[in-house]
Amino acid sequence: QKEVEQNSGPLSVPEGAIASLNCTYSDRGSQSFFWYRQYSGKSPELIMFIYSNGDKEDGRFTAQLNKASQYVSLLIRDSQPSDSATYLCAVSAGNNRKLIWGLGTSLAVNP
Amino acid sequence: GAVVSQHPSRVICKSGTSVKIECRSLDFQATTMFWYRQFPKKSLMLMATSNEGSKATYEQGVEKDKFLINHASLTLSTLTVTSAHPEDSSFYICSAGGDGVVNYGYTFGSGTRLTVV
Repeated sequence: QKEVEQNSGPLSVPEGAIASLNCTYSDRGSQSFFWYRQYSGKSPELIMFIYSNGDKEDGRFTAQLNKASQYVSLLIRDSQPSDSATYLCAVSAGNNRKLIWGLGTSLAVNP
Repeated sequence: GAVVSQHPSRVICKSGTSVKIECRSLDFQATTMFWYRQFPKKSLMLMATSNEGSKATYEQGVEKDKFLINHASLTLSTLTVTSAHPEDSSFYICSAGGDGVVNYGYTFGSGTRLTVV
């Protein structure tokens, strides 16, 4: 069974701090990795995707991928109260295009 | 960027009736569409995967005769909840992707909140 695991949280950080969200996956054949943000009552919104080992930065967000450790993380710098949401990690197993989803980590950024 | 339009955003129907939800890709050709449902404070549950012009592939435990999926064109997929019952009340979300989507991610529609009374 292919699995994606995330700490459910809640993760609470003060405004302006760095929030670190982690995700591990079981399928070594996984090729693409995604971070989505979901506000309560809304649909998920794609924040970042990464498929090469290392870091990928986009504004305040940095995705980090370590395929050897089967680990992908999302760092949010200068966290804002508007970043308070559930962050979903998703992994693509390849040709069938289906995403395997983690259960999400709830992030609360306190003013 | 890729935009996926989903309608209706909210629907209330009587038990025993059918409800159709539409998902349209507005500025790209969606070769693959996924339909999810989500209960309050729970994660996404994949219901089915559809590729344009072929039958949908349903996940284990999802009744294909109850949740009818049609993906007749590269820009439109529909989910019909037939003979809806209160336990079908949920948040239904589509997501779509075109070529290269494995690397670039899927775009979600805004979701449909279905309430069956």
